[in-house]
Amino acid sequence: QSVLTQPPSVSAAPGQKVTISCSGSSSNIGNNYVSWYQQLPGTAPKLLIYENNKRPSGIPDRFSGSKSGTSATLGITGLQTGDEADYYCGTWDSSLSAGEVFGTGTKVTVL
Amino acid sequence: EVQLVESGGGLVQPGRSLRLSCAASGFTFDDYAMHWVRQAPGKGLEWVSGISWNSGSIGYADSVKGRFTISRDNAKNSLYLQMNSLRAEDTALYYCAKGAYYGSGSYYNSGAHDYWGQGTLVTVSS
Repeated sequence: QSVLTQPPSVSAAPGQKVTISCSGSSSNIGNNYVSWYQQLPGTAPKLLIYENNKRPSGIPDRFSGSKSGTSATLGITGLQTGDEADYYCGTWDSSLSAGEVFGTGTKVTVL
Repeated sequence: EVQLVESGGGLVQPGRSLRLSCAASGFTFDDYAMHWVRQAPGKGLEWVSGISWNSGSIGYADSVKGRFTISRDNAKNSLYLQMNSLRAEDTALYYCAKGAYYGSGSYYNSGAHDYWGQGTLVTVSS
């Protein structure tokens, strides 16, 4: 029961751009950093974006992140076939349970 | 090179127990919070539990609170998850994940998960 909402799927042709939204609330996205993870088929998640808009070493600048209020967005430009994967947003939630929450996940398809 | 290697998964009957382990290498283990994240077959990610570098701060998801216990042995560079009273809905691939913030005194907000293991599969079924 994810508390962060993402679109189930997005698609675009190679070279095009896609954006993935992540909607939350003041107890999570509104007051905490957002991270984004890429999960290629059959593999463990990989960190793409941290602290809303920072890229770890080795992540190309085709990937970008932003946050506004209680929502966050991941952008992928110059789409490649290797970008076909599931993408998850994640953040911390300060409600009673005080734990980490992830988005529902978005499948990116390269047409 | 940072490596996280989980072990201990398997097939277990409902109500029984299982202990997962995560062996860490390539970084100073006792400087970072660690977490367990699971993924049920065909489903999304679910945070299970987190522990600060010195075990002074521990948290659990509501779905496992009172049944699972996280612990770490910094001398052995290892993270553990003791799972009791297992249910069918606990069936999942369990990942060990590192918190990114150096010296985080709390499991909460200990940073993004910059490294993940390959996961160990737990199947709860009679």
